[in-house]
Amino acid sequence: QKEVEQNSGPLSVPEGAIASLNCTYSDRGSQSFFWYRQYSGKSPELIMSIYSNGDKEDGRFTAQLNKASQYVSLLIRDSQPSDSATYLCAVNIEWADGLTFGKGTHLIIQP
Amino acid sequence: ETGVTQTPRHLVMGMTNKKSLKCEQHLGHNAMYWYKQSAKKPLELMFVYNFKEQTENNSVPSRFSPECPNSSHLFLHLHTLQPEDSALYLCASSQGLTLNTEAFFGQGTRLTVV
Repeated sequence: QKEVEQNSGPLSVPEGAIASLNCTYSDRGSQSFFWYRQYSGKSPELIMSIYSNGDKEDGRFTAQLNKASQYVSLLIRDSQPSDSATYLCAVNIEWADGLTFGKGTHLIIQP
Repeated sequence: ETGVTQTPRHLVMGMTNKKSLKCEQHLGHNAMYWYKQSAKKPLELMFVYNFKEQTENNSVPSRFSPECPNSSHLFLHLHTLQPEDSALYLCASSQGLTLNTEAFFGQGTRLTVV
């Protein structure tokens, strides 16, 4: 059973545009949702967390959560080449300790 | 210096060797984790420790043996590994296991089994 699903990409977005990354999860009891950014050869870096339905904004990043649809997304405004990375969606599933990760979406920002 | 430090950064070992990975966190967290990251696969949770007690073992083979002497240190002892165990091993820590907790990762150990 795939608990956290992401499109692996690559997702190619022109510089300055909005990049939209999507994630679905299977466990309705999930309460906490996280987005990590991972550059090639590096470890994951936490960039956003969201716990309640709606939008949460932090600088150029906006996380969106819809628990009814079991869907969480990350929007990156004014995309920069430095945003090129793999973005990992992580969910804290109710019945398990630790985070469950998706495979990640490879994002490429084209100059 | 990052809040979570792993050593060594790279490790090459033979299938008959015994080695250990070390993780130390300076964030005052109570929970620590080992994850495995292989190519084309999602991060796989291996072990979870909360206040030094193991709370989860995700069906990990016994050739991987964790140790958590205190809330700041976590080890992963390796013996008689297989080539398919080659991967990036990541340590993470969080304040606790409550749902609204954020996990922070170390730099990882790139392990190659030959």
